[in-house]
Amino acid sequence: DAGVTQSPTHLIKTRGQHVTLRCSPISGHKSVSWYQQVLGQGPQFIFQYYEKEERGRGNFPDRFSARQFPNYSSELNVNALLLGDSALYLCASSFRSDSLGGELFFGEGSRLTVL
Amino acid sequence: QKEVEQNSGPLSVPEGAIASLNCTYSDRVSQSFFWYRQYSGKSPELIMSIYSNGDKEDGRFTAQLNKASQYVSLLIRDSQPSDSATYLCAAHYSGGGADGLTFGKGTHLIIQP
Repeated sequence: DAGVTQSPTHLIKTRGQHVTLRCSPISGHKSVSWYQQVLGQGPQFIFQYYEKEERGRGNFPDRFSARQFPNYSSELNVNALLLGDSALYLCASSFRSDSLGGELFFGEGSRLTVL
Repeated sequence: QKEVEQNSGPLSVPEGAIASLNCTYSDRVSQSFFWYRQYSGKSPELIMSIYSNGDKEDGRFTAQLNKASQYVSLLIRDSQPSDSATYLCAAHYSGGGADGLTFGKGTHLIIQP
């Protein structure tokens, strides 16, 4: 079975540009979450979507947005990129969104570099 | 503000010994706790989850939770060089809405052959 797939794997942008990251969850998983991981830190929660609805949002500015499609895939959009947005963006899927929704399966991530 | 604290290490353990990784969390509403392993350049991988006080064993891994002390630990028995990685502790609270996981910074574990 395919795991969580993310694209692109690496990308370089300049300040002020916009980026879209994509994620396909494990088949049967209805919950998709996005995390940002800066080098040397643990992942930081950005969004969770379950059944196409936003179920949670972390402490990130409005430049960050996301959505989930009917096939449960998801996009993360970041506008007006800043140097500090350079990080590994991780998508994770899970079967449920409650307390057991912490059992996440992560994709390999999209490494964003902002110059 | 929910926080999860871990000693960043590195923690160096001889092969075959027990590695003990510790984690504390700041809030009393977190309901479930997880240990993820992350190899360098890779994404996190779930190795243990624990939801109630006490010990939970899975193969060479034992997770321990003490909610009164707000303390979670992971023991790795018979440590192998392949266990060398960063271990991330995470707490999850889901009440009314989904807050996602709160991760610690991770403990870098080195198993010395």
